[in-house]
Amino acid sequence: GAGVSQSPSNKVTEKGKDVELRCDPISGHTALYWYRQSLGQGLEFLIYFQGNSAPDKSGLPSDRFSAERTGGSVSTLTIQRTQQEDSAVYLCASSFEAHRAYEQYFGPGTRLTVT
Amino acid sequence: AQSVSQHNHHVILSEAASLELGCNYSYGGTVNLFWYVQYPGQHLQLLLKYFSGDPLVKGIKGFEAEFIKSKFSFNLRKPSVQWSDTAEYFCAVRGNAGNMLTFGGGTRLMVKP
Repeated sequence: GAGVSQSPSNKVTEKGKDVELRCDPISGHTALYWYRQSLGQGLEFLIYFQGNSAPDKSGLPSDRFSAERTGGSVSTLTIQRTQQEDSAVYLCASSFEAHRAYEQYFGPGTRLTVT
Repeated sequence: AQSVSQHNHHVILSEAASLELGCNYSYGGTVNLFWYVQYPGQHLQLLLKYFSGDPLVKGIKGFEAEFIKSKFSFNLRKPSVQWSDTAEYFCAVRGNAGNMLTFGGGTRLMVKP
């Protein structure tokens, strides 16, 4: 079946611009996670959604970062006023539920470059 | 806060050599432990996972890992590596504090044919 998909695969933007990154989870998965993979910081958790519950935003690095999930499916990660340190690969993952018993499946990522 | 350390950043082996990649975590409670692999140009894939029970876990492609609670370790092993095992390997932990994964810094493995 279809896996987690993300778009765009690559995004180059100028410093100060806003960007939106999209994630389509596996159908039927109620939990959705965003991570960031960057040089020097490795893989970091950003935010996760579980059903209609309030998202866990504890990993967002600043208030320039926000995410929403519409209809319990597609999610958009928005970065406002991008900075060069935002350059990274942004990964989305989904799981059947946000429960320890269920593994997370990762998408291919969006490579963001801020010039 | 939980953290994960992978001590080997780069490993170079010849085909048929044995592999052991170290992973240590710091978290006092019950944990789930994972090894993910990222082949060149591909996305993260799960190699194996430990939730409970037998501390020796077998995964795909001949990989295994042993959970040693007293050492807070979850080392990845493979008796005989192949060129196709060239990839980056990530250890991850999930504790009780939330459902997110905390990853180690990764180990780049290069297997020479």
